[in-house]
Amino acid sequence: DAKTTQPTSMDCAEGRAANLPCNHSTISGNEYVYWYRQIHSQGPQYIIHGLKNNETNEMASLIITEDRKSSTLILPHATLRDTAVYYCIVRSPSGSARQLTFGSGTQLTVLP
Amino acid sequence: SAVISQKPSRDICQRGTSLTIQCQVDSQVTMMFWYRQQPGQSLTLIATANQGSEATYESGFVIDKFPISRPNLTFSTLTVSNMSPEDSSIYLCSVEGQLGDTQYFGPGTRLTVL
Repeated sequence: DAKTTQPTSMDCAEGRAANLPCNHSTISGNEYVYWYRQIHSQGPQYIIHGLKNNETNEMASLIITEDRKSSTLILPHATLRDTAVYYCIVRSPSGSARQLTFGSGTQLTVLP
Repeated sequence: SAVISQKPSRDICQRGTSLTIQCQVDSQVTMMFWYRQQPGQSLTLIATANQGSEATYESGFVIDKFPISRPNLTFSTLTVSNMSPEDSSIYLCSVEGQLGDTQYFGPGTRLTVL
């Protein structure tokens, strides 16, 4: 069973920030939140991950709520090339549960 | 991150035949994974392949249908056996990064079975 809930689709204007929400209310204390994206029919691309602190890298920022039951991926200045399916995944760092379990994801469409 | 290549990138096959997909990584990795993505669907893990041991298959996938080899730390193959049109999918390999904290994916192999 999927451990995360994401909206099916979202639109964002080019140049604006894209905020993609994810609910993971049953997350365990040692589980991380991961974000991947898949541009049409390509292999998924790693974006960012975090445990409880907010994280930022060259691609995006990850904001995790204090109770860790939800998070938001922020693409600060969306471009047309950011159009993709974005997957929020909860993953354990060890054992058999360290595998990635993909849900349905959010189809983000960046509009010109 | 790891650079991963897959061969072939795509193929069209006849029912009842088999296809072997290759996955090559530019560095030594312990854990490799094979996924399937059926048309319009999300990714589903087929099996985990560790060097020197038998692959571990997920529920719904069996070795006779999807035999996997892992001869060394940079290479793996997945065979799709006795294919039917329902096997038409994108097949992806992925590897766990050196720190063990994430996975990187290959470009995928698009398989069409007629």
